[in-house]
Amino acid sequence: SQKIEQNSEALNIQEGKTATLTCNYTNYSPAYLQWYRQDPGRGPVFLLLIRENEKEKRKERLKVTFDTTLKQSLFHITASQPADSATYLCAPPGSGGYNKLIFGAGTRLAVHP
Amino acid sequence: DTGVSQDPRHKITKRGQNVTFRCDPISEHNRLYWYRQTLGQGPEFLTYFQNEAQLEKSRLLSDRFSAERPKGSFSTLEIQRTEQGDSAMYLCASSYSGGGDEQFFGPGTRLTVL
Repeated sequence: SQKIEQNSEALNIQEGKTATLTCNYTNYSPAYLQWYRQDPGRGPVFLLLIRENEKEKRKERLKVTFDTTLKQSLFHITASQPADSATYLCAPPGSGGYNKLIFGAGTRLAVHP
Repeated sequence: DTGVSQDPRHKITKRGQNVTFRCDPISEHNRLYWYRQTLGQGPEFLTYFQNEAQLEKSRLLSDRFSAERPKGSFSTLEIQRTEQGDSAMYLCASSYSGGGDEQFFGPGTRLTVL
């Protein structure tokens, strides 16, 4: 079955540093992959989508890469700020169409002043 | 654009009772999804509507669960004879088939079954 793996341990970094989060997927080849941010007690918020023919996508301080050979996506936040502290979810679509998303468990990021 | 709304935000019920949740998607969105999220996990897909048609249901959705989207606008998710294992955050998301593939999530309904 389709499996999405993200670092289960929280990532703690100092303000101003670059945070790098990893998402690995197995048993299928998604056409695209999305990243969401989730704050405690709230619904996920869409950040970026990267397609299989794109190696890299940027939005302000965010950068996503998609390596279909390694079956891995990396999510970078540069010049991190305490306000970036949240859980970040990787979500490729499931098989069978309809764009339902298969989420990883998420990685909790804590940016310390 | 007021975003996706869900009601209620919190529900506490006793085991065996029935509960119903409502989701109002963004008005022009024809796709609507329900997900369930437990602590420390990512959301899990439950069911999908395109307009009023329910096109996919997860195997997670037992016979006690039913969802409707009668006029292709708001949707309801009903759980009959609730069990403690149903305790979770129930999330609704919507998107537009003519737009991008990103989904817009509501704030969720937190269900606690005692």
